[in-house]
Amino acid sequence: LAKTTQPISMDSYEGQEVNITCSHNNIATNDYITWYQQFPSQGPRFIIQGYKTKVTNEVASLFIPADRKSSTLSLPRVSLSDTAVYYCLVGFMNTNAGKSTFGDGTTLTVKP
Amino acid sequence: DTGVSQDPRHKITKRGQNVTFRCDPISEHNRLYWYRQTLGQGPEFLTYFQNEAQLEKSRLLSDRFSAERPKGSFSTLEIQRTEQGDSAMYLCASSASGGISTDTQYFGPGTRLTVL
Repeated sequence: LAKTTQPISMDSYEGQEVNITCSHNNIATNDYITWYQQFPSQGPRFIIQGYKTKVTNEVASLFIPADRKSSTLSLPRVSLSDTAVYYCLVGFMNTNAGKSTFGDGTTLTVKP
Repeated sequence: DTGVSQDPRHKITKRGQNVTFRCDPISEHNRLYWYRQTLGQGPEFLTYFQNEAQLEKSRLLSDRFSAERPKGSFSTLEIQRTEQGDSAMYLCASSASGGISTDTQYFGPGTRLTVL
């Protein structure tokens, strides 16, 4: 079971880059790393997913070192609307749908 | 809107009553998941379906909980004899499996259950 550890909370200011790191020391060979964003009273929203090195899309980048025991979600130039809870999820859903856990996430607060 | 939908969005019930929630996944997705989320916690996996087959159930899913997905389309989650500890947000997600897909899940807005 791939357990993840994230900081409970982080504060930032508008326009700054935010990096949230997730530790997953027992990640398995087939496991992917997925990050979700969740606003209050809404379901989680997929942000980005990766297996190794670096992945970038229109909203974020995901950095994964060679040993894959951690990953860092990078949000460029955050705004107030990025205030949310961010979850790191590790697993290979095709065969282990119930084996991946969300953990308690990181509450990001963006201040003006 | 072609995303995952859930109904109702909110449900208030008295202890001991039965409740049923519905989830309509994204139409081309063959996998459907149910999660439960309490305040300040991340979503906890309950069960998932591939098409109409229920392939996995969490130990969290007591005998009072049952889920179905007839015909592999929408799904229902029923809780019998509700208890106050069942109060939570119930989330549904769907995904498209196949090949080397990593099975990215897309979530609905959730059903907030309050048991009085």
